[in-house]
Amino acid sequence: GQNIDQPTEMTATEGAIVQINCTYQTSGFNGLFWYQQHAGEAPTFLSYNVLDGLEEKGRFSSFLSRSKGYSYLLLKELQMKDSASYLCAPPGKLTFGTGTQLKVEL
Amino acid sequence: EAQVTQNPRYLITVTGKKLTVTCSQNMNHEYMSWYRQDPGLGLRQIYYSMNVEVTDKGDVPEGYKVSRKEKRNFPLILESPSPNQTSLYFCASSLDRALGQPQHFGDGTRLSIL
Repeated sequence: GQNIDQPTEMTATEGAIVQINCTYQTSGFNGLFWYQQHAGEAPTFLSYNVLDGLEEKGRFSSFLSRSKGYSYLLLKELQMKDSASYLCAPPGKLTFGTGTQLKVEL
Repeated sequence: EAQVTQNPRYLITVTGKKLTVTCSQNMNHEYMSWYRQDPGLGLRQIYYSMNVEVTDKGDVPEGYKVSRKEKRNFPLILESPSPNQTSLYFCASSLDRALGQPQHFGDGTRLSIL
């Protein structure tokens, strides 16, 4: 199967660092996507990890461990505009799940 | 500009009145799909298409139809809409599903069925 587990909600302070974890039970897939979705808007692509390790892209980094079925999205220097839902999904996933709702506070 | 365009963006209609939501992409993508998003349930796939004339059911296909007569267009058809189809709908496309290409989403269509 392709069960995905993410925390439902997280709260962090502007300027801080937050790590959003994603665990999954799957087989035969290649990599993992992360998307960002602001309320009422379309999801937008953030990152795709195809190999194990850390991929850095500006303030956002994503990590993947295929053997452990584990990934995380790391957001640094948080800004208010980072308040959104963050979705992890393997390629070809039919249903994304509810994602993690991140709230950034002053 | 590369984009996925959905129309209409908003629609309020009544039960049983057939409607079509159009979706068009200008990126020559092979893979297109439709999702609905409801509070607490996340994004659920309705139908997808691997290429022209190739469509398949997603997770929640009941009450919907699709067609893929041209590569760029993938309309979603509700033959007899019902209130439980009130939702936010997204169309998405990607270069190739098998290669793990990211999906590009349209801006969404908010449907209210009374």
